[in-house]
Amino acid sequence: AQKITQTQPGMFVQEKEAVTLDCTYDTSDPSYGLFWYKQPSSGEMIFLIYQGSYDQQNATEGRYSLNFQKARKSANLVISASQLGDSAMYFCAMRVGAGNMLTFGGGTRLMVKP
Amino acid sequence: NAGVMQNPRHLVRRRGQEARLRCSPMKGHSHVYWYRQLPEEGLKFMVYLQKENIIDESGMPKERFSAEFPKEGPSILRIQQVVRGDSAAYFCASSLRQGEAAGELFFGEGSRLTVL
Repeated sequence: AQKITQTQPGMFVQEKEAVTLDCTYDTSDPSYGLFWYKQPSSGEMIFLIYQGSYDQQNATEGRYSLNFQKARKSANLVISASQLGDSAMYFCAMRVGAGNMLTFGGGTRLMVKP
Repeated sequence: NAGVMQNPRHLVRRRGQEARLRCSPMKGHSHVYWYRQLPEEGLKFMVYLQKENIIDESGMPKERFSAEFPKEGPSILRIQQVVRGDSAAYFCASSLRQGEAAGELFFGEGSRLTVL
């Protein structure tokens, strides 16, 4: 069975600083993908970044980067230069094998302080 | 190119009534997924459908819930005899193929069901 754990229910960060949101996962399947989504107060799910289990390099998308440590089974999201608009819920998710079914973590609420 | 469209965005029902949630996938997408999000929780997989077929319904409650994706028209998630515990946001996602890499799975904006 797959499991995703986000241990930080809430985080504060000062505007313009970097922040790391933790995510650990557990699966016995060697082929998997890890996703991060942002959910603002309006409720939609916004895709941020993806890391495949066989990818050699950490994924980056603009101010988002994924710190993928395979041996530790962690896939932390790093947001650089935080902006007020980054305040939202952030969800880590995993897909195993060839399917598209995602298993989600419980989320971290990020609050950016001006 | 319209994204995944869900309606209604908000639905209020009294206990015992039926709720029907609709999802139109992105144009050309034949794979649809429904997820449920309870307040302050992550999304939980419910069902995966292709046109006219249910592929995986392992996350669907055994009673009162059903889903379909007909040859023509949107996918429908139907909840009969709703109870207060059904109050949640229901998200639909679609993809062109199975096993897509990131960015190829698109979520709708969700339908928020409130049961009084």
